[in-house]
Amino acid sequence: DIQMTQSPSSLSASVGDRVTITCRTSQNIDNYLNWFQQKPGKAPRLLIYAASSLQSGVPSRFTGSGSGTDFTLTITSLQPEDFATYYCQQGYSTPYTFGQGSKLEIK
Amino acid sequence: EVQLVESGGGLVKPGGSLRLSCAASGFTFNYAWMNWVRQAPGKGLEWIGHIKSEADGGTTDYAVPVKGRFTISRDDSKNTLYLQMNSLTPEDTAVYYCSRRLISDFWGQGTLVTVSS
Repeated sequence: DIQMTQSPSSLSASVGDRVTITCRTSQNIDNYLNWFQQKPGKAPRLLIYAASSLQSGVPSRFTGSGSGTDFTLTITSLQPEDFATYYCQQGYSTPYTFGQGSKLEIK
Repeated sequence: EVQLVESGGGLVKPGGSLRLSCAASGFTFNYAWMNWVRQAPGKGLEWIGHIKSEADGGTTDYAVPVKGRFTISRDDSKNTLYLQMNSLTPEDTAVYYCSRRLISDFWGQGTLVTVSS
């Protein structure tokens, strides 16, 4: 199975800040990497697919980059609604493993 | 509008069985690969399996913790995805979500399964 290492597991930031979350995979997955946002009691929401493609309806302050084994999710100019937990997931081979999550909290 | 609505969750005793459903609407269901993902209380997301479209063979694949106990199926005439869960243990307690496509671009609201005596 492909192992996902997501960091940091938690971070605090202020409205207007820029934050970066990283995801490292145990083997090359090309660009088969998705990013999700999840708020308490809600289903996850797809933000980024294929490492850097912005899902329809997602604000452009969310950007994804990377390929191979190292990926990043960057949120510029944090908004109050962005405080949530973020997950990466590889779609290269089954099982389509998720990272352990990064909880973004208000400072 | 794409909608996925899970149902069938509830309380079940260890060793018991449960069948979840995911009713789909707003898109051509028979073309879509569909997933089941679960989330134990306070934990992260866990992909548990998927089923391809019939056009792509209709085959299934499962994560190791559920392989041999869970079965994913689909009824394209009813636009419905199923998850048959057998030999349930307390470790299967979770919210179960269905999602669409390899990239999980749409998700249902989830249904809670609690395995407890």
